[in-house]
Amino acid sequence: NAGVMQNPRHLVRRRGQEARLRCSPMKGHSHVYWYRQLPEEGLKFMVYLQKENIIDESGMPKERFSAEFPKEGPSILRIQQVVRGDSAAYFCASSRDTRDGYTFGSGTRLTVV
Amino acid sequence: DAKTTQPTSMDCAEGRAANLPCNHSTISGNEYVYWYRQIHSQGPQYIIHGLKNNETNEMASLIITEDRKSSTLILPHATLRDTAVYYCIVSYDTDKLIFGTGTRLQVFP
Repeated sequence: NAGVMQNPRHLVRRRGQEARLRCSPMKGHSHVYWYRQLPEEGLKFMVYLQKENIIDESGMPKERFSAEFPKEGPSILRIQQVVRGDSAAYFCASSRDTRDGYTFGSGTRLTVV
Repeated sequence: DAKTTQPTSMDCAEGRAANLPCNHSTISGNEYVYWYRQIHSQGPQYIIHGLKNNETNEMASLIITEDRKSSTLILPHATLRDTAVYYCIVSYDTDKLIFGTGTRLQVFP
């Protein structure tokens, strides 16, 4: 049973481009969470999704960021018109139930040049 | 969700037990205590969680005081690979786990 799969592991984008980060949850997990970790800082919650629904997006910046978890396929975190401040590690986690512990992926390191 | 307080850093000799404390004096009756760790820049790793009773799994033990205002994570035989930042989190629902600054555990030979 593969763990939470995130790709790409590393992503380089120029300012103004779009970044798409993918997350495939563990088999049987229907809850997906996205976190961001800026260099030398802690993990910050961004968004919580279940299949086809955004449950809590209180940590998402109001502009340029969006997330989805379609009925088929991975969850996608999309960042439009990236800026240097978006450079960070983005971690996805999944769980089977809201009381279970999360399983985190290895993250996507986004670098904006 | 209740706030937690952890020491900034701790040291532990390899092979000895590492006891990581966490204070959560404002915890409510239906909030769980979760522990995670992050090794270097890897994805955080779930360790254990509990509500009232002490819990043990293959990684660690969780001791929760009777009044539930504090807890201790115990790594019974620390190894160099246990060097990491350890996060204690209190939450009713895991829809939004809030990670604080954690305890940086350094295991030395």
